[in-house]
Amino acid sequence: GDSVTQMEGPVTLSEEAFLTINCTYTATGYPSLFWYVQYPGEGLQLLLKATKADDKGSNKGFEATYRKETTSFHLEKGSVQVSDSAVYFCALRTTGTASKLTFGTGTRLQVTL
Amino acid sequence: GAVVSQHPSWVICKSGTSVKIECRSLDFQATTMFWYRQFPKQSLMLMATSNEGSKATYEQGVEKDKFLINHASLTLSTLTVTSAHPEDSSFYICSSSIGDTQYFGPGTRLTVL
Repeated sequence: GDSVTQMEGPVTLSEEAFLTINCTYTATGYPSLFWYVQYPGEGLQLLLKATKADDKGSNKGFEATYRKETTSFHLEKGSVQVSDSAVYFCALRTTGTASKLTFGTGTRLQVTL
Repeated sequence: GAVVSQHPSWVICKSGTSVKIECRSLDFQATTMFWYRQFPKQSLMLMATSNEGSKATYEQGVEKDKFLINHASLTLSTLTVTSAHPEDSSFYICSSSIGDTQYFGPGTRLTVL
């Protein structure tokens, strides 16, 4: 079945550091890929997405590129801020599954001054 | 963006009692809503998909008689945890989709004593 594997957290970085959160997936067909963010006390919010190979999703300085050859969708940001502290979830949806999402376990990011 | 609300945000109940959680789409009509369960430091696990006016579709391993889902209108779905036990303590999250984007509620933390 479909699955998503994320690097284990927590990830602790100083402000303005470079961020990478690894995500790899296993899926039948050609999935759409997503990154969701969950800030403390809030629901998950869509951060960015990519729907086909080589697409790059970007939002709020975060980027992720859909790499079919390595089945990866790593999240990156060049300079993190304290306000980026949250839990980040990688997810996929396989075409034809009526919006059913498969999530990774989430990676907690803690950014300090 | 679309807003999904949940009520209550947290609830504590005694073992053996039933608890109802409401999920509302505030500014759009939701023909389909999803119910997830999230354990500490783990991913979201899809429990069931509810469709307005019809029976919910439960994921494998989810007891439909224990987790009753009702989707009586286009803006409201409810999850009732019947005869709750401590192992049902968890974070329950609902979502609905517009196109290929899912919008999540803030979640309900259930603690069963």
